[in-house]
Amino acid sequence: EVQLVESGGGLVKPGGSLRLSCVVSGFTFINAWMSWVRQAPGKGLEWVGRIKSKVDGGTADYAAPVKGRFTISRDDSKNTLYLQMNSLKTEDTAVYYCTTEQSSGSFIWFDYWGQGTLVTVSS
Amino acid sequence: DIQMTQSPSSLSASVGDRVSITCRASQSISSYLNWYQQKGGKAPKLLIYAASSLQSGVPSRFSGSGSGTDFTLTISSLQPEDFATYYCQQSYITPLTFGGGTKVEIK
Repeated sequence: EVQLVESGGGLVKPGGSLRLSCVVSGFTFINAWMSWVRQAPGKGLEWVGRIKSKVDGGTADYAAPVKGRFTISRDDSKNTLYLQMNSLKTEDTAVYYCTTEQSSGSFIWFDYWGQGTLVTVSS
Repeated sequence: DIQMTQSPSSLSASVGDRVSITCRASQSISSYLNWYQQKGGKAPKLLIYAASSLQSGVPSRFSGSGSGTDFTLTISSLQPEDFATYYCQQSYITPLTFGGGTKVEIK
């Protein structure tokens, strides 16, 4: 059974930092492309960024609102995905989901999702 | 960035109704379009990928169509468990972007 379990959310002041983790089991993490998707309270889904597998270069891409402030990384030895969030703003308040990217040819979709972890940025 | 626009933003329907949700991309995305269902603050669930391919385990009453800029998610006969919010998402190019969502409510 595939499981993704996020942790690390909480309350942080504007300008502060937080690191989210996503521990994965039930599939071959080392080959997986992984994304973070967030959802502000009462709002829709927003892609935060992704990291490719190391065999595909291991590079990360980010959405404009978080570029330069957030960093996605992975530890394949621990089956763990990370999201380091710095210079947090009130508009970063959201539930953060980690998700796996499945592909067929050039088609990509998000198939497995974690339960989400809530990040609240408030003074 | 590619903007994804869903319509309507909400709809009311009865059990057994045929329901269609539209998603329009701001530029052509070929068939790089996925659909998700989200219930009650839970994680989204993949329904359709590559515009028209049904994810394993998803009931056949769900179907997707379209290519280029215009796409449709259809529920052929709405069931009680289908009341939820539906999102489209393009995977043509990063940043990957979602539509604003369509909330399907009970009439």
